[in-house]
Amino acid sequence: EAGVAQSPRYKIIEKRQSVAFWCNPISGHATLYWYQQILGQGPKLLIQFQNNGVVDDSQLPKDRFSAERLKGVDSTLKIQPAKLEDSAVYLCASSLVGRISSSYNEQFFGPGTRLTVL
Amino acid sequence: KNEVEQSPQNLTAQEGEFITINCSYSVGISALHWLQQHPGGGIVSLFMLSSGKKKHGRLIATINIQEKHSSLHITASHPRDSAVYICAVRGDNQFYFGTGTSLTVIP
Repeated sequence: EAGVAQSPRYKIIEKRQSVAFWCNPISGHATLYWYQQILGQGPKLLIQFQNNGVVDDSQLPKDRFSAERLKGVDSTLKIQPAKLEDSAVYLCASSLVGRISSSYNEQFFGPGTRLTVL
Repeated sequence: KNEVEQSPQNLTAQEGEFITINCSYSVGISALHWLQQHPGGGIVSLFMLSSGKKKHGRLIATINIQEKHSSLHITASHPRDSAVYICAVRGDNQFYFGTGTSLTVIP
């Protein structure tokens, strides 16, 4: 079974530039997550989609970050403009369902995109 | 205060040693996950637990719901086990992550 795919794997940009990351979840997975992991810290949830709707984006810095999942399958995360503190690994994960009562909520993670902002 | 606390933060062991990593959480949860993250960022899900104990090869995970505590054990540790181990819990329809335990196993 193919896993969660992300691209690019690495990106280096200058501050104030824009950048976009792409994620293709496991086929059939309704829920998609974007996380930001700063070096030395645990992942922080940025946004959670259920199909093509947003479930939780409370920790997404909406002045510069945006994400979409238009057809309920793959997703893009954009930063515009980037700041130095955005340097991090951006992880995408998917799960079969996202309902809290379901036992089928194991998340599968992609390899991540390492962003360096200079 | 973090909803998920892990200990120790860093751990160095000799090859063959028995290793325990602990996780305590403060929220009501439906499931707890143990994740493994290798240098380079990729994360692999090791276990998802809601009660009791699970075993995969040399890895064992236990959870005590009443005490809000979980442990990850590695028997006969090997240098390839060197990674960051992250505890994550699912509660209030969101995930809370610990900051991870960095494990180094020396040959």
